[in-house]
Order: sequence, then C-alpha cells, then structure tokens
Amino acid sequence: KQEVTQIPAALSVPEGENLVLNCSFTDSAIYNLQWFRQDPGKGLTSLLLIQSSQREQTSGRLNASLDKSSGRSTLYIAASQPGDSATYLCAVRGGMRSGANNLFFGTGTRLTVIP
Amino acid sequence: DVKVTQSSRYLVKRTGEKVFLECVQDMDHENMFWYRQDPGLGLRLIYFSYDVKMKEKGDIPEGYSVSREKKERFSLILESASTNQTSMYLCASSPTTGPLIPLPRGYTFGSGTRLTVV
Repeated sequence: KQEVTQIPAALSVPEGENLVLNCSFTDSAIYNLQWFRQDPGKGLTSLLLIQSSQREQTSGRLNASLDKSSGRSTLYIAASQPGDSATYLCAVRGGMRSGANNLFFGTGTRLTVIP
Repeated sequence: DVKVTQSSRYLVKRTGEKVFLECVQDMDHENMFWYRQDPGLGLRLIYFSYDVKMKEKGDIPEGYSVSREKKERFSLILESASTNQTSMYLCASSPTTGPLIPLPRGYTFGSGTRLTVV
C-alpha cells in the first residue's frame, strides 16, 4: 500500500525566508501528486497539481517539483509571509497497483511564519 | 471555480442518533469522496462513488454508509453515531478521465464538517 511521508512535521521560519517542504512516497506508480493547504479547522485548498509526466509546477511564490522515480516531491515557498502559516499536505493519486481513485495523504507539515 | 459545499460546519449529536452529512458539488464531477481527518492519523478514506448509485468502500467504512441518488450530491450516513466517530469530515470531488480529460485531475475539497458525538 502507498505510504506518504512529510518531513518536517512542523517548521517555524522568520518572515521573508525561502523554505522547502518535503514529501516522499513508496510506490512510484502514481498518476499525479497534489499539494494542499489547510488552515486550522478548515477544509483543504488545492495549491498545485503535478501529473506523473511533469517535473514541476509553479503558481506565484510556490513551486512544486516531482521526481517520480525516487518517490519525492518538494514544495518551495519563496519570500514567506505570515499569511502562509498553515498545514501543508501532500497527496498522491494511486496508480495501477493502488487504484486510480485512491488519494493517499501525508500527515502534513505545520508551517508558522513569524512576523 | 469548482465548489464543493458541505451543508454544516459544526454538528453536535448524541450517541445512537442517525446522522446525515451532505455534500454537493457544482462541476458535474463523476467521482465523489468522503474522508475523515483525525490528529496523528491524517486523512482516511471512508467511501467513494464514481457514478450515480455506485459506491465503493474505502479504508474505514465500518459504521458508515453512503447514498448517491443524484450526480451532484453524496451523503454520508452514520447509522448509529458513537463517540469514536467524533472527527472532521471532508468531502471531495474529481472528474473522471476520458477523451476530453485524458489525465487524472486533482481533487476539490469542501470546507469540512466538525462532528462531535456526545
């Protein structure tokens, strides 16, 4: 079964710093990988979606990369702001072995950006 | 924008009650999902549906059932609520692949329902 791990579990950085969140997965046969943001007590907001054939996606200050063969993805946040404080979740959509309708989540990285 | 709407943000129910959680999406997506989220356990799939009247068990279906009578609506039912079903419940939808959508698309989530069973 697909296992998704996110490191670190929590991260505090001063405002303005660039930072990287890490995600790893055990089964490289995936359809895509999606990064979400979750504010306390709220639902998930999709940030970026990378298809298995792609290597990266960018949206504003966010850049996500995917190395399918090594089972890794990173989310790069440039010039962090206090409003970026949230939990960031990585999820992979299963491939042939896991089922195409299964979305496997990591437990998230809780980011705090200190003003 | 795709919208997935969950009817209640907060619910408090008594043990043994039958509880309905409603989810509606407005983008004609075929696939709909119910997850629960608990601290330290992350998101776990309860049930999903890939078409009207179709349903599939996820990882933790025990104690739950679902209903999908219309494409846009997917209901999660707790037949007899118990305290261990206190959780955040999240609904999601996604389109299926096909000639117009050759690659699997991402999921869109609702804002969640925080259910407390007392």
